[in-house]
Parts: sequence; C-alpha cells; structure tokens
Amino acid sequence: DGGITQSPKYLFRKEGQNVTLSCEQNLNHDAMYWYRQDPGQGLRLIYYSQIVNDFQKGDIAEGYSVSREKKESFPLTVTSAQKNPTAFYLCASRGRRSSFGNTIYFGEGSWLTVV
Amino acid sequence: DAKTTQPTSMDCAEGRAANLPCNHSTISGNEYVYWYRQIHSQGPQYIIHGLKNNETNEMASLIITEDRKSSTLILPHATLRDTAVYYCIATLGGGADGLTFGKGTHLIIQP
Repeated sequence: DGGITQSPKYLFRKEGQNVTLSCEQNLNHDAMYWYRQDPGQGLRLIYYSQIVNDFQKGDIAEGYSVSREKKESFPLTVTSAQKNPTAFYLCASRGRRSSFGNTIYFGEGSWLTVV
Repeated sequence: DAKTTQPTSMDCAEGRAANLPCNHSTISGNEYVYWYRQIHSQGPQYIIHGLKNNETNEMASLIITEDRKSSTLILPHATLRDTAVYYCIATLGGGADGLTFGKGTHLIIQP
C-alpha cells in the first residue's frame, strides 16, 4: 500500500536522552513535514523539507533536529535540549503542485513519553 | 493561511446528515478550503478540498458560498465512526510550509 509509515507508534524516553522518530513515505512526494500535537491542541510545525538535502525550521524547531538524505525518509531527532518532549508527533508529505491544489497526507503518528 | 473559525463542538444523530460550518472571511482568491478529520490518537485524514465550486467525493460534500467567505462540510449519513475532530483550513495549494491547524470542531455522533 502507498502511504506514510511512522515508527515506533509508542516510545518512552528517559530524561537527558536523544530519541529518533522514523518517517518513510512511498508516495514519491517531494515535501515532508513534522508536526507536534499536545493533548487537546492543534498541530504545530517543527520542521519541513521541500527537497532532498534541504530543510527549514518551522514554528517550534528548538530542541529538534532532522535530516533528509533520501527522498522517502525524513527522521526527526528529539534532543535532550527539548524541555517538554512528551507529545504526539505527526509526519506528513505532499507531492508537486497540481492544477487543483496540493494535498498533504499524514502518517499515523508516534507517541513520545518522557519518564 | 487565512484564519478560519469553527464551532468548538457539535452533535449529530447517527444516520442523519452532519453539517459542519466554517468561516473564512479573509480568504484570498487563490486559497483553497481543505477539510481534514482526526480520530483520537491517529493522524489527520484528508477529506476533501475546493476552490470555488462545490465538491463531492465518496466521503463528503463541500459547499462553498459564492463570496467564498464560508463553507460547509456535509457528511450525508453520519455513523459512529465519524466521531472525530474536523479541521477546516484555508490555504494556498502548494505552500511550502505546510498547513496551519486550529482546534477544529469536535463532532460527536449520537446513537
């Protein structure tokens, strides 16, 4: 099936540790995104990448890092510098602009809990 | 992205049509109206989008007013599985920096 795969679904991290969340897409999409969602809140953009080997900070990039070495992969590292990392993390991707908009599709998300 | 306003929550009886309103009075001429929904602990699911004309797909219908300042998402025969948070987003189709999600409407389908 075509889509976006995030792993792991649930992850526990000790304070002071870095953790990497995986995001893979087989939709041949150029752009990929990472969002964070806190309980009862909307989505906030962490990082995005429009093309391989290039990425930009979103609204809440502090304490996070990303890489885009391959078109299909956009891993997110939550570093120990992120003060409140416990949240639901969503990866998304979008293909090239068409004549009728350009839809973003989401993965199923990863729950990160700091213990 | 233009600002959108949605009711915080709505109820609908199972089997009835669910009509979810959205105001986007500052939408620009080239911004699309997108609808997503999110079931608890899952990623947002794309439903439908439109620019000027009304749109329909297998999930829903989208009615956009002639002045484009508001729209309505219609789920024709709501089921319990349609209980979710529904997000209305006004955005350029192809903006590089993703979508801006508000808090959406929590739609509760009552049995």
